[in-house]
Amino acid sequence: QVQLVQSGAEVKKAGASVKVSCKISGYTFSDYGISWVRQAPGQGLEWMGWIGAYNGHTKYAQKFQGRVAMTTDTSTSTASMELRSLKSDDTAVYYCARDCSSLTCSEWYWGQGTLVTVSS
Amino acid sequence: QAVVTQEPSLTVSPGGTVTLTCGSSTGDVTSGLHPYWFQQRPGQVPKTLIFETNNKPSWTPARFSGSLLGGKAAVTLSGAQPEDEAEYYCLLSYTGVRVFGGGTKLTVL
Repeated sequence: QVQLVQSGAEVKKAGASVKVSCKISGYTFSDYGISWVRQAPGQGLEWMGWIGAYNGHTKYAQKFQGRVAMTTDTSTSTASMELRSLKSDDTAVYYCARDCSSLTCSEWYWGQGTLVTVSS
Repeated sequence: QAVVTQEPSLTVSPGGTVTLTCGSSTGDVTSGLHPYWFQQRPGQVPKTLIFETNNKPSWTPARFSGSLLGGKAAVTLSGAQPEDEAEYYCLLSYTGVRVFGGGTKLTVL
Protein backbone atom coordinates (compact mmCIF):
# COMPACT_ATOMS: atom_id res chain seq x y z
CA GLN A 1 0.00 0.00 0.00
CA VAL A 2 1.08 3.57 -0.62
CA GLN A 3 2.81 5.08 2.42
CA LEU A 4 4.54 8.38 3.04
CA VAL A 5 6.40 8.45 6.35
CA GLN A 6 7.75 11.79 7.51
CA SER A 7 10.54 12.67 9.89
CA GLY A 8 9.86 13.62 13.49
CA ALA A 9 8.90 16.87 15.17
CA GLU A 10 11.38 19.73 15.22
CA VAL A 11 11.91 22.74 17.47
CA LYS A 12 13.92 25.57 15.96
CA LYS A 13 14.97 29.07 16.83
CA ALA A 14 13.88 31.99 14.69
CA GLY A 15 16.36 32.53 11.85
CA ALA A 16 17.36 28.88 11.65
CA SER A 17 16.50 26.33 8.94
CA VAL A 18 14.54 23.11 9.09
CA LYS A 19 14.57 20.10 6.80
CA VAL A 20 11.65 17.69 6.74
CA SER A 21 11.93 14.35 4.97
CA CYS A 22 9.26 12.09 3.49
CA LYS A 23 10.05 8.44 2.74
CA ILE A 24 7.86 6.75 0.17
CA SER A 25 6.88 3.14 -0.24
CA GLY A 26 4.23 1.17 -2.09
CA TYR A 27 4.69 2.78 -5.49
CA THR A 28 7.47 3.73 -7.90
CA PHE A 29 8.87 6.94 -6.42
CA SER A 30 10.08 8.38 -9.69
CA ASP A 31 6.67 8.08 -11.36
CA TYR A 32 5.00 10.84 -9.32
CA GLY A 33 5.44 14.35 -8.02
CA ILE A 34 5.36 15.37 -4.37
CA SER A 35 3.57 18.42 -3.00
CA TRP A 36 4.34 20.01 0.34
CA VAL A 37 1.49 21.54 2.35
CA ARG A 38 1.50 23.19 5.74
CA GLN A 39 -1.15 23.95 8.34
CA ALA A 40 -0.61 26.50 11.08
CA PRO A 41 -2.39 25.85 14.39
CA GLY A 42 -6.15 26.30 13.95
CA GLN A 43 -5.70 27.42 10.34
CA GLY A 44 -6.35 26.02 6.88
CA LEU A 45 -4.15 24.18 4.44
CA GLU A 46 -1.47 26.10 2.56
CA TRP A 47 0.28 24.72 -0.53
CA MET A 48 4.01 25.41 -0.45
CA GLY A 49 5.28 23.82 -3.61
CA TRP A 50 5.83 20.74 -5.72
CA ILE A 51 8.69 18.67 -7.01
CA GLY A 52 8.52 16.15 -9.84
CA ALA A 53 10.38 13.07 -8.71
CA TYR A 54 10.52 12.04 -12.38
CA ASN A 55 12.30 15.16 -13.61
CA GLY A 56 13.47 17.15 -10.59
CA HIS A 57 11.49 20.21 -11.66
CA THR A 58 10.06 22.39 -8.93
CA LYS A 59 7.24 24.90 -8.57
CA TYR A 60 7.00 27.01 -5.44
CA ALA A 61 4.23 29.21 -4.12
CA GLN A 62 5.23 32.82 -4.54
CA LYS A 63 5.13 33.31 -0.77
CA PHE A 64 8.00 30.85 -0.25
CA GLN A 65 10.17 31.68 -3.26
CA GLY A 66 13.78 32.15 -2.16
CA ARG A 67 13.21 30.58 1.23
CA VAL A 68 12.27 26.98 0.39
CA ALA A 69 14.07 24.18 -1.39
CA MET A 70 12.52 20.84 -2.33
CA THR A 71 14.66 17.90 -3.32
CA THR A 72 14.35 14.19 -4.00
CA ASP A 73 16.67 11.22 -3.60
CA THR A 74 15.56 8.41 -5.87
CA SER A 75 18.10 6.01 -4.34
CA THR A 76 16.23 6.14 -1.02
CA SER A 77 12.76 7.08 -2.34
CA THR A 78 12.83 10.15 -0.13
CA ALA A 79 11.61 13.68 -0.73
CA SER A 80 12.79 16.58 1.43
CA MET A 81 11.72 20.14 2.05
CA GLU A 82 14.03 22.73 3.60
CA LEU A 83 12.67 26.04 4.85
CA ARG A 84 15.19 28.74 5.74
CA SER A 85 15.11 31.94 7.83
CA LEU A 86 12.37 30.60 10.06
CA LYS A 87 9.93 32.96 11.73
CA SER A 88 7.47 32.31 14.52
CA ASP A 89 4.59 32.17 12.05
CA ASP A 90 6.25 29.22 10.31
CA THR A 91 5.10 27.15 13.28
CA ALA A 92 2.88 24.56 11.63
CA VAL A 93 2.35 20.94 10.74
CA TYR A 94 4.10 20.22 7.45
CA TYR A 95 2.74 17.51 5.17
CA CYS A 96 4.09 15.80 2.09
CA ALA A 97 1.58 14.35 -0.36
CA ARG A 98 1.84 12.25 -3.50
CA ASP A 99 0.76 14.50 -6.34
CA CYS A 100 0.13 13.70 -10.01
CA SER A 101 2.21 11.30 -12.03
CA SER A 102 3.94 12.38 -15.21
CA LEU A 103 0.92 11.14 -17.15
CA THR A 104 -2.19 11.58 -15.04
CA CYS A 105 -3.66 12.84 -11.80
CA SER A 106 -5.37 10.69 -9.21
CA GLU A 107 -5.99 10.73 -5.48
CA TRP A 108 -3.40 12.33 -3.26
CA TYR A 109 -1.85 10.25 -0.51
CA TRP A 110 -0.60 12.15 2.53
CA GLY A 111 2.19 11.73 5.03
CA GLN A 112 1.37 11.79 8.72
CA GLY A 113 2.63 15.34 9.16
CA THR A 114 5.63 16.87 10.94
CA LEU A 115 5.18 19.53 13.59
CA VAL A 116 7.73 22.32 13.32
CA THR A 117 7.79 24.75 16.23
CA VAL A 118 9.69 28.00 15.86
CA SER A 119 10.57 29.85 19.01
CA SER A 120 11.87 33.37 19.27
CA GLN B 1 -1.70 34.67 -7.04
CA ALA B 2 -5.28 33.50 -7.52
CA VAL B 3 -7.66 33.37 -4.58
CA VAL B 4 -9.89 30.33 -4.09
CA THR B 5 -13.10 30.92 -2.17
CA GLN B 6 -15.29 28.56 -0.16
CA GLU B 7 -18.20 29.01 2.23
CA PRO B 8 -16.69 29.39 5.71
CA SER B 9 -19.33 27.20 7.30
CA LEU B 10 -22.42 25.18 6.44
CA THR B 11 -24.85 23.13 8.47
CA VAL B 12 -26.80 20.08 7.31
CA SER B 13 -29.31 17.90 9.11
CA PRO B 14 -28.63 14.18 9.45
CA GLY B 15 -29.89 12.53 6.26
CA GLY B 16 -30.03 15.87 4.50
CA THR B 17 -28.31 17.20 1.39
CA VAL B 18 -25.77 20.01 1.17
CA THR B 19 -23.55 21.44 -1.58
CA LEU B 20 -20.15 22.98 -0.92
CA THR B 21 -18.69 25.23 -3.61
CA CYS B 22 -15.27 26.42 -4.69
CA GLY B 23 -14.76 29.58 -6.73
CA SER B 24 -11.77 31.20 -8.37
CA SER B 25 -10.81 34.87 -8.49
CA THR B 26 -9.66 34.35 -12.09
CA GLY B 27 -13.13 33.44 -13.39
CA ASP B 28 -15.11 30.28 -13.90
CA VAL B 29 -13.75 27.06 -12.48
CA THR B 30 -13.37 24.49 -15.24
CA SER B 31 -11.93 21.01 -15.38
CA GLY B 32 -8.73 22.68 -16.58
CA LEU B 33 -8.14 23.88 -13.01
CA HIS B 34 -8.15 20.22 -11.89
CA PRO B 35 -10.40 20.61 -8.84
CA TYR B 36 -9.64 18.46 -5.83
CA TRP B 37 -11.56 18.16 -2.56
CA PHE B 38 -10.08 17.05 0.75
CA GLN B 39 -11.81 16.14 3.99
CA GLN B 40 -10.08 16.76 7.30
CA ARG B 41 -11.60 15.62 10.57
CA PRO B 42 -10.32 17.25 13.77
CA GLY B 43 -6.84 16.07 14.66
CA GLN B 44 -6.51 13.98 11.53
CA VAL B 45 -4.53 14.10 8.31
CA PRO B 46 -6.42 15.41 5.27
CA LYS B 47 -7.86 12.76 2.99
CA THR B 48 -8.70 12.99 -0.71
CA LEU B 49 -12.47 13.09 -1.18
CA ILE B 50 -12.75 13.98 -4.89
CA PHE B 51 -10.07 14.38 -7.55
CA GLU B 52 -10.16 15.89 -11.03
CA THR B 53 -13.62 17.43 -10.61
CA ASN B 54 -15.75 14.31 -10.12
CA ASN B 55 -13.59 11.23 -9.54
CA LYS B 56 -13.67 9.37 -6.25
CA PRO B 57 -10.98 7.30 -4.54
CA SER B 58 -12.06 3.87 -3.39
CA TRP B 59 -12.57 5.10 0.17
CA THR B 60 -15.00 7.93 -0.61
CA PRO B 61 -18.60 7.00 0.22
CA ALA B 62 -21.11 7.04 -2.62
CA ARG B 63 -23.08 9.83 -0.91
CA PHE B 64 -20.41 12.33 -2.01
CA SER B 65 -20.29 13.56 -5.60
CA GLY B 66 -18.22 16.20 -7.37
CA SER B 67 -19.28 18.49 -10.21
CA LEU B 68 -19.02 21.90 -11.84
CA LEU B 69 -21.95 24.12 -10.92
CA GLY B 70 -22.57 27.72 -11.93
CA GLY B 71 -18.92 28.45 -12.68
CA LYS B 72 -17.67 26.79 -9.53
CA ALA B 73 -16.46 23.39 -8.47
CA ALA B 74 -18.87 21.70 -6.11
CA VAL B 75 -19.20 18.67 -3.90
CA THR B 76 -22.65 17.47 -2.95
CA LEU B 77 -23.33 15.32 0.08
CA SER B 78 -26.64 13.44 -0.12
CA GLY B 79 -27.72 11.70 3.07
CA ALA B 80 -25.39 13.33 5.58
CA GLN B 81 -24.01 11.18 8.38
CA PRO B 82 -22.60 12.34 11.73
CA GLU B 83 -19.12 11.24 10.63
CA ASP B 84 -19.26 13.73 7.72
CA GLU B 85 -18.80 16.59 10.18
CA ALA B 86 -15.38 17.91 9.18
CA GLU B 87 -13.47 20.66 7.41
CA TYR B 88 -13.52 20.45 3.61
CA TYR B 89 -10.87 22.05 1.43
CA CYS B 90 -10.83 22.52 -2.31
CA LEU B 91 -7.64 22.80 -4.30
CA LEU B 92 -7.23 24.32 -7.75
CA SER B 93 -4.21 24.18 -10.03
CA TYR B 94 -3.09 27.20 -12.06
CA THR B 95 -0.52 25.86 -14.54
CA GLY B 96 0.99 23.71 -11.85
CA VAL B 97 0.74 26.20 -9.00
CA ARG B 98 -1.83 24.86 -6.55
CA VAL B 99 -3.97 27.03 -4.33
CA PHE B 100 -6.20 25.86 -1.48
CA GLY B 101 -9.46 27.45 -0.56
CA GLY B 102 -9.93 28.61 3.00
CA GLY B 103 -12.01 25.58 3.90
CA THR B 104 -15.66 24.96 4.78
CA LYS B 105 -16.54 23.75 8.25
CA LEU B 106 -19.46 21.37 7.81
CA THR B 107 -21.64 20.74 10.83
CA VAL B 108 -24.12 17.85 10.87
CA LEU B 109 -26.85 18.89 13.26
